[in-house]
Amino acid sequence: SQTIHQWPATLVQPVGSPLSLECTVEGTSNPNLYWYRQAAGRGLQLLFYSVGIGQISSEVPQNLSASRPQDRQFILSSKKLLLSDSGFYLCAWGDSTDTQYFGPGTRLTVL
Amino acid sequence: AQSVTQPDIHITVSEGASLELRCNYSYGATPYLFWYVQSPGQGLQLLLKYFSGDTLVQGIKGFEAEFKRSQSSFNLRKPSVHWSDAAEYFCAVEDSGNTGKLIFGQGTTLQVKP
Repeated sequence: SQTIHQWPATLVQPVGSPLSLECTVEGTSNPNLYWYRQAAGRGLQLLFYSVGIGQISSEVPQNLSASRPQDRQFILSSKKLLLSDSGFYLCAWGDSTDTQYFGPGTRLTVL
Repeated sequence: AQSVTQPDIHITVSEGASLELRCNYSYGATPYLFWYVQSPGQGLQLLLKYFSGDTLVQGIKGFEAEFKRSQSSFNLRKPSVHWSDAAEYFCAVEDSGNTGKLIFGQGTTLQVKP
């Protein structure tokens, strides 16, 4: 069966520091991968998606970036965090029917 | 463009009462439709999905949803709510482009009274 992992589970970072969040999927190959953010009290915002290694599409302009160095690895990064980057970050993988399966999330607090 | 509307931001029901969460979508053809549930601090869990065929879809945890093309709706129902159903519920529709993206509603927070 397929599983999706995210780490770290929680992170507290100062403004201006770098960021790296990792997502890995097991039990499937060539999945679509997605990064979402949930700000407090708000819905899901799609940040990036990837349909293959090295293929990244950005949905919103921001100081975040994503990379997919391996088929089942998806990384969300920033060179300098802003206060507004705080939120709950969710990674998801999608199957051939467009069904998405979500990871447990990373709670990021920028101080 | 596709869109999803969940008209109710918060709903409170008593334990044991029936539940219906509303979802309306905008989509040109027959859409793929989904309901997800999110407990506080956790990821989203798929409750059920509709692709085609029988318009009444059964999901996990005793939930069902009915696709009504004439009303552009995909409402989620449960005949008897349990306290553990308190969570946030998201309806989603596939994006029309061949990207696998989903368009999510803003979510409905369900509170269950004892």
